[in-house]
Amino acid sequence: ELKVEQNPLFLSMQEGKNYTIYCNYSTTSDRLYWYRQDPGKSLESLFVLLSNGAVKQEGRLMASLDTKARLSTLHITAAVHDLSATYFCAGLGAGGTSYGKLTFGQGTILTVHP
Amino acid sequence: DTEVTQTPKHLVMGMTNKKSLKCEQHMGHRAMYWYKQKAKKPPELMFVYSYEKLSINESVPSRFSPECPNSSLLNLHLHALQPEDSALYLCASSQDRVGETQYFGPGTRLLVL
Repeated sequence: ELKVEQNPLFLSMQEGKNYTIYCNYSTTSDRLYWYRQDPGKSLESLFVLLSNGAVKQEGRLMASLDTKARLSTLHITAAVHDLSATYFCAGLGAGGTSYGKLTFGQGTILTVHP
Repeated sequence: DTEVTQTPKHLVMGMTNKKSLKCEQHMGHRAMYWYKQKAKKPPELMFVYSYEKLSINESVPSRFSPECPNSSLLNLHLHALQPEDSALYLCASSQDRVGETQYFGPGTRLLVL
Protein backbone atom coordinates (compact mmCIF):
# COMPACT_ATOMS: atom_id res chain seq x y z
CA GLU A 1 0.00 0.00 0.00
CA LEU A 2 1.31 3.42 -1.00
CA LYS A 3 1.97 5.83 1.86
CA VAL A 4 2.90 9.48 1.35
CA GLU A 5 4.50 11.69 3.99
CA GLN A 6 5.15 15.39 3.81
CA ASN A 7 7.30 17.60 5.93
CA PRO A 8 7.14 20.03 7.40
CA LEU A 9 3.42 20.02 8.22
CA PHE A 10 3.49 23.68 9.18
CA LEU A 11 5.71 26.29 7.58
CA SER A 12 5.85 29.93 8.54
CA MET A 13 7.95 31.96 6.13
CA GLN A 14 8.95 35.55 5.73
CA GLU A 15 8.30 37.23 2.45
CA GLY A 16 11.30 37.06 0.19
CA LYS A 17 12.73 33.87 1.72
CA ASN A 18 13.21 30.49 0.10
CA TYR A 19 12.08 27.15 1.44
CA THR A 20 11.43 23.54 0.43
CA ILE A 21 8.61 21.14 1.21
CA TYR A 22 9.52 17.46 1.10
CA CYS A 23 7.32 14.57 0.04
CA ASN A 24 8.40 10.96 0.61
CA TYR A 25 6.47 7.97 -0.64
CA SER A 26 6.75 4.36 0.36
CA THR A 27 6.43 2.24 -2.77
CA THR A 28 6.60 2.65 -6.51
CA SER A 29 4.34 5.41 -7.68
CA ASP A 30 3.44 5.96 -11.32
CA ARG A 31 3.48 9.70 -10.94
CA LEU A 32 3.52 12.43 -8.34
CA TYR A 33 1.19 15.40 -8.12
CA TRP A 34 1.25 18.65 -6.23
CA TYR A 35 -1.97 20.43 -5.35
CA ARG A 36 -2.73 23.71 -3.62
CA GLN A 37 -5.76 24.31 -1.40
CA ASP A 38 -6.86 27.69 -0.08
CA PRO A 39 -8.92 27.72 3.15
CA GLY A 40 -12.46 26.53 2.51
CA LYS A 41 -11.71 25.99 -1.18
CA SER A 42 -11.08 23.10 -3.49
CA LEU A 43 -7.79 21.65 -4.71
CA GLU A 44 -5.96 23.28 -7.56
CA SER A 45 -3.57 21.17 -9.60
CA LEU A 46 -0.05 22.65 -9.65
CA PHE A 47 2.27 20.03 -11.12
CA VAL A 48 2.40 16.46 -12.30
CA LEU A 49 5.79 14.75 -12.33
CA LEU A 50 6.07 11.70 -14.51
CA SER A 51 9.60 10.40 -14.41
CA ASN A 52 12.85 10.39 -12.52
CA GLY A 53 14.59 13.74 -12.67
CA ALA A 54 11.47 15.59 -13.78
CA VAL A 55 11.48 19.26 -12.86
CA LYS A 56 8.62 21.69 -13.41
CA GLN A 57 8.41 25.37 -12.61
CA GLU A 58 5.58 27.84 -12.43
CA GLY A 59 6.28 31.29 -11.09
CA ARG A 60 7.90 31.03 -7.66
CA LEU A 61 7.23 27.29 -7.33
CA MET A 62 9.44 24.52 -8.62
CA ALA A 63 8.76 20.82 -8.19
CA SER A 64 11.13 17.92 -8.74
CA LEU A 65 11.01 14.15 -8.56
CA ASP A 66 13.66 11.59 -7.60
CA THR A 67 12.09 8.16 -8.06
CA LYS A 68 15.16 6.33 -6.74
CA ALA A 69 14.94 8.17 -3.43
CA ARG A 70 11.12 8.15 -3.61
CA LEU A 71 11.24 11.86 -2.94
CA SER A 72 9.58 14.89 -4.44
CA THR A 73 10.29 18.46 -3.44
CA LEU A 74 8.38 21.70 -3.84
CA HIS A 75 10.73 24.65 -3.71
CA ILE A 76 9.43 28.12 -3.00
CA THR A 77 11.54 31.04 -4.18
CA ALA A 78 11.18 34.55 -2.72
CA ALA A 79 7.88 33.81 -1.03
CA VAL A 80 5.01 36.26 -1.27
CA HIS A 81 1.83 36.43 0.81
CA ASP A 82 -0.29 35.08 -2.05
CA LEU A 83 1.45 31.72 -1.70
CA SER A 84 -0.11 31.16 1.72
CA ALA A 85 -2.18 27.97 1.40
CA THR A 86 -2.06 24.25 2.14
CA TYR A 87 0.06 22.24 -0.27
CA PHE A 88 -0.54 18.54 -0.83
CA CYS A 89 1.58 16.05 -2.66
CA ALA A 90 -0.14 12.93 -3.91
CA GLY A 91 1.20 9.75 -5.40
CA LEU A 92 -0.59 7.54 -7.90
CA GLY A 93 -0.36 3.92 -6.83
CA ALA A 94 1.35 1.65 -9.34
CA GLY A 95 0.27 -1.71 -8.01
CA GLY A 96 -1.53 -3.79 -5.42
CA THR A 97 -4.38 -2.25 -3.50
CA SER A 98 -3.10 1.24 -4.29
CA TYR A 99 -3.25 0.76 -8.06
CA GLY A 100 -4.75 3.76 -9.81
CA LYS A 101 -5.60 5.53 -6.55
CA LEU A 102 -4.35 8.93 -5.53
CA THR A 103 -2.85 8.86 -2.03
CA PHE A 104 -2.33 12.26 -0.45
CA GLY A 105 0.28 13.40 2.00
CA GLN A 106 -0.89 15.11 5.18
CA GLY A 107 -0.51 18.56 3.66
CA THR A 108 1.82 21.44 4.51
CA ILE A 109 0.16 24.59 5.81
CA LEU A 110 2.24 27.46 4.48
CA THR A 111 1.91 30.94 5.95
CA VAL A 112 3.92 33.79 4.47
CA HIS A 113 4.44 36.80 6.73
CA PRO A 114 5.47 40.32 5.68
CA ASP B 1 -12.08 24.50 -19.63
CA THR B 2 -11.07 22.45 -16.63
CA GLU B 3 -14.20 22.97 -14.59
CA VAL B 4 -16.01 20.58 -12.32
CA THR B 5 -19.16 21.96 -10.73
CA GLN B 6 -20.84 20.76 -7.56
CA THR B 7 -24.18 21.52 -5.98
CA PRO B 8 -25.15 22.46 -3.40
CA LYS B 9 -22.24 24.42 -1.95
CA HIS B 10 -23.51 23.96 1.58
CA LEU B 11 -25.90 21.40 3.04
CA VAL B 12 -27.28 20.97 6.53
CA MET B 13 -29.21 17.79 7.19
CA GLY B 14 -30.62 15.84 10.07
CA MET B 15 -29.75 12.23 10.70
CA THR B 16 -33.08 11.03 9.32
CA ASN B 17 -32.94 13.07 6.12
CA LYS B 18 -32.25 11.91 2.58
CA LYS B 19 -30.29 14.27 0.36
CA SER B 20 -28.14 14.12 -2.74
CA LEU B 21 -24.95 15.82 -3.85
CA LYS B 22 -24.46 16.50 -7.53
CA CYS B 23 -21.31 16.80 -9.61
CA GLU B 24 -21.02 17.71 -13.27
CA GLN B 25 -18.20 18.02 -15.78
CA HIS B 26 -18.21 18.76 -19.50
CA MET B 27 -14.59 18.02 -20.29
CA GLY B 28 -15.28 14.60 -21.78
CA HIS B 29 -13.59 12.92 -18.83
CA ARG B 30 -14.43 9.26 -18.36
CA ALA B 31 -13.39 8.87 -14.73
CA MET B 32 -15.12 10.58 -11.82
CA TYR B 33 -14.38 10.44 -8.11
CA TRP B 34 -15.86 11.24 -4.73
CA TYR B 35 -13.57 12.26 -1.90
CA LYS B 36 -14.29 13.16 1.70
CA GLN B 37 -12.16 15.76 3.43
CA LYS B 38 -12.26 16.53 7.15
CA ALA B 39 -10.88 19.80 8.45
CA LYS B 40 -7.09 20.07 8.25
CA LYS B 41 -6.80 16.58 6.74
CA PRO B 42 -6.07 15.38 3.21
CA PRO B 43 -8.88 14.16 0.95
CA GLU B 44 -9.81 10.50 1.33
CA LEU B 45 -11.03 8.55 -1.66
CA MET B 46 -14.56 7.17 -1.41
CA PHE B 47 -15.62 6.00 -4.87
CA VAL B 48 -14.30 5.88 -8.40
CA TYR B 49 -16.39 5.57 -11.55
CA SER B 50 -14.73 4.65 -14.80
CA TYR B 51 -16.79 4.76 -17.99
CA GLU B 52 -19.91 5.07 -15.85
CA LYS B 53 -19.20 1.89 -13.93
CA LEU B 54 -18.23 1.77 -10.27
CA SER B 55 -14.64 0.58 -10.19
CA ILE B 56 -13.55 1.40 -6.65
CA ASN B 57 -15.51 1.51 -3.42
CA GLU B 58 -13.25 2.22 -0.50
CA SER B 59 -15.37 0.31 2.00
CA VAL B 60 -17.65 3.30 2.42
CA PRO B 61 -20.72 2.78 4.67
CA SER B 62 -23.93 2.03 2.79
CA ARG B 63 -25.49 5.28 3.98
CA PHE B 64 -23.47 6.78 1.10
CA SER B 65 -24.72 5.63 -2.29
CA PRO B 66 -23.04 6.82 -5.49
CA GLU B 67 -24.67 6.98 -8.88
CA CYS B 68 -23.34 7.85 -12.33
CA PRO B 69 -26.34 8.49 -14.61
CA ASN B 70 -24.14 9.43 -17.57
CA SER B 71 -20.57 10.33 -18.41
CA SER B 72 -20.98 13.94 -17.27
CA LEU B 73 -22.87 13.48 -14.03
CA LEU B 74 -22.04 11.96 -10.68
CA ASN B 75 -24.35 11.89 -7.70
CA LEU B 76 -23.86 10.94 -4.08
CA HIS B 77 -27.04 9.97 -2.28
CA LEU B 78 -27.03 10.43 1.46
CA HIS B 79 -29.30 8.70 3.94
CA ALA B 80 -29.28 8.33 7.72
CA LEU B 81 -25.94 10.07 8.10
CA GLN B 82 -24.11 10.51 11.38
CA PRO B 83 -22.63 13.74 12.77
CA GLU B 84 -19.13 12.36 12.09
CA ASP B 85 -19.99 12.41 8.37
CA SER B 86 -19.84 16.19 8.45
CA ALA B 87 -17.05 17.16 6.05
CA LEU B 88 -16.22 18.71 2.71
CA TYR B 89 -17.22 16.36 -0.11
CA LEU B 90 -15.14 16.82 -3.21
CA CYS B 91 -15.86 15.56 -6.66
CA ALA B 92 -13.07 15.15 -9.20
CA SER B 93 -12.75 13.99 -12.76
CA SER B 94 -9.93 12.89 -15.03
CA GLN B 95 -9.51 11.95 -18.66
CA ASP B 96 -9.15 8.32 -17.77
CA ARG B 97 -8.97 6.41 -14.53
CA VAL B 98 -5.29 5.74 -14.27
CA GLY B 99 -2.61 8.32 -14.54
CA GLU B 100 -4.39 11.44 -15.69
CA THR B 101 -4.53 14.59 -13.58
CA GLN B 102 -7.65 14.79 -11.46
CA TYR B 103 -9.49 18.10 -11.51
CA PHE B 104 -11.46 18.90 -8.40
CA GLY B 105 -14.77 20.68 -7.98
CA PRO B 106 -15.37 23.34 -5.33
CA GLY B 107 -16.89 20.85 -2.93
CA THR B 108 -20.06 20.59 -0.87
CA ARG B 109 -19.68 21.43 2.79
CA LEU B 110 -21.97 19.07 4.67
CA LEU B 111 -23.11 19.45 8.25
CA VAL B 112 -25.07 16.62 9.85
CA LEU B 113 -27.01 17.56 12.97
